[in-house]
Amino acid sequence: DVKVTQSSRYLVKRTGEKVFLECVQDMDHENMFWYRQDPGLGLRLIYFSYDVKMKEKGDIPEGYSVSREKKERFSLILESASTNQTSMYLCASSRSGGGNQPQHFGDGTRLSIL
Amino acid sequence: AQKITQTQPGMFVQEKEAVTLDCTYDTSDPSYGLFWYKQPSSGEMIFLIYQGSYDQQNATEGRYSLNFQKARKSANLVISASQLGDSAMYFCAMREPYSGGGADGLTFGKGTHLIIQP
Repeated sequence: DVKVTQSSRYLVKRTGEKVFLECVQDMDHENMFWYRQDPGLGLRLIYFSYDVKMKEKGDIPEGYSVSREKKERFSLILESASTNQTSMYLCASSRSGGGNQPQHFGDGTRLSIL
Repeated sequence: AQKITQTQPGMFVQEKEAVTLDCTYDTSDPSYGLFWYKQPSSGEMIFLIYQGSYDQQNATEGRYSLNFQKARKSANLVISASQLGDSAMYFCAMREPYSGGGADGLTFGKGTHLIIQP
């Protein structure tokens, strides 16, 4: 089974802090994604990566950056956390080779910015 | 304009009944893919079923089937013989364009909260 592991299930940080959310997948997938999920809004794509050191902006990249130094690891960075970034963050990975490849998700990190 | 519309914020269904969850989508690209995911209260997103825009037959996976009506841009999820464990949020999602690399992110609807009653 595909395993996507997010480093923290719950995280509380203060405004202005630099926050790192880590995601690791064990299936050698080429593609990795970061989404945020807010009630009534569904999931929205923040950034994705299709290869090591490659990144592409999603629908809501403002206030975020990402890093992919190794194939299995994709990090989301909040450069200066703000209260409107309080949300559930979901990481996903998928195999390349066809648009029918499903994305496999981690359990999510519930982030609170105080 | 929303690309994925799920018109049912919540549904109550009796156990063992069939359930249809609505999803309409909007795209001008002829190649796209449609996905359904289940999210139980524990939070993980579980992939259920996929339909490609060029697939001739409706997708089926066990108790899940997808009623794909391309002209109507509709991709409804049908759950047969519902069970208590089917209670969850259900999300419809679209990938466009239909790229060989599969690297594009998904666009999700806002979800339908399904509650199965005994």
